[in-house]
Amino acid sequence: GAVVSQHPSRVICKSGTSVKIECRSLDFQATTMFWYRQFPKKSLMLMATSNEGSKATYEQGVEKDKFLINHASLTLSTLTVTSAHPEDSSFYICSVKGLVADEQFFGPGTRLTVL
Amino acid sequence: SQKIEQNSEALNIQEGKTATLTCNYTNYSPAYLQWYRQDPGRGPVFLLLIRENEKEKRKERLKVTFDTTLKQSLFHITASQPADSATYLCASFGNEKLTFGTGTRLTIIP
Repeated sequence: GAVVSQHPSRVICKSGTSVKIECRSLDFQATTMFWYRQFPKKSLMLMATSNEGSKATYEQGVEKDKFLINHASLTLSTLTVTSAHPEDSSFYICSVKGLVADEQFFGPGTRLTVL
Repeated sequence: SQKIEQNSEALNIQEGKTATLTCNYTNYSPAYLQWYRQDPGRGPVFLLLIRENEKEKRKERLKVTFDTTLKQSLFHITASQPADSATYLCASFGNEKLTFGTGTRLTIIP
């Protein structure tokens, strides 16, 4: 399967600051990338879907101006949490999917803690 | 709306036995289901994908079934080992996205 990396693996920031999380598909051309959020002991919740070179499609209830997504290339997507607040503290996971196959592969996740 | 459920939050199985996890879906017919393994603090790892026209899929000690009549998928791990202890997630594909169940935390007891 595809190898997906995320950076950083964990980040602690002060309330009001912005945090950028990178997702890279190391060996796979990811035509579609997804961003999920997972709270403790809860399932993964899809935040947004992005196709390379297009604007992201956000799920209902996810603020697009707060969670900025850029899918700049077939191997890189970034999620920027703007003006982070403690309630944004969560585990953020990216996922990639190719054009042909249906399998979806996930990154190792980024633990965000907002103080 | 799509709903997918994994009824067992936790499951304890004796080493060497077969572990069977259940995933049920309602209100829709997914084109396929995917099963993932997730360890604490890590992202999900893809295990198997099964399509609606496939009854069964195998990979080493893993087996997945898909029953469209019962609207259910079963995930089996045979000859279970302590290293199989993890949370297993079922995900269904519909409306162009994967919807995840809440997972079953499997513990294999030596």
